[in-house]
Amino acid sequence: DAGVTQSPTHLIKTRGQQVTLRCSPISGHKSVSWYQQVLGQGPQFIFQYYEKEERGRGNFPDRFSARQFPNYSSELNVNALLLGDSALYLCASSLDIRAAELFFGEGSRLTVL
Amino acid sequence: GQQVMQIPQYQHVQEGEDFTTYCNSSTTLSNIQWYKQRPGGHPVFLIQLVKSGEVKKQKRLTFQFGEAKKNSSLHITATQTTDVGTYFCAGPGGVSNFGNEKLTFGTGTRLTIIP
Repeated sequence: DAGVTQSPTHLIKTRGQQVTLRCSPISGHKSVSWYQQVLGQGPQFIFQYYEKEERGRGNFPDRFSARQFPNYSSELNVNALLLGDSALYLCASSLDIRAAELFFGEGSRLTVL
Repeated sequence: GQQVMQIPQYQHVQEGEDFTTYCNSSTTLSNIQWYKQRPGGHPVFLIQLVKSGEVKKQKRLTFQFGEAKKNSSLHITATQTTDVGTYFCAGPGGVSNFGNEKLTFGTGTRLTIIP
């Protein structure tokens, strides 16, 4: 079975631009979470969706938004990019929010110039 | 908000030596999870602890959950080069505080092995 897939794997944007990152969870998984990992730090929670509803939002500005589609895939959008948004964006899926284990994708490496 | 700290930040050990990382949460946790991230890779789930005082072993790895459910530790016996990576603890921060809801990751301990 395929794991969590994310696209694109790498991208370069300039300040002020907008970016959309995509995630396909493991088949059967209904919960998708997004994390931002700055180099040298632990993943920081951005959003969690379960059954297409937002279950939680981390301490990120309104420039960050996300949604989950009927097929449980998800998109993370970031508007008005700042240099500080440069990071590895990780998507993780799980059967549901009660499940013990998060399965992470390889991530999307965003560089903002 | 919830904070999860880990010490040490870095640990360099000779191959065959033991390694321990400690995790402390500012709030009581319903469960704690441990993840390993290899250099250039993504976090991989290792284990979940739920009960106060729980101890679990996976081969050379021993995980403990504190009695107050606010701290945890990971101990690796006789490290091998395959143990290289950053070890993160993580606890749920959602209102219902179960499972993997709104996981807060610790600061991580980066382990390097000297052959």
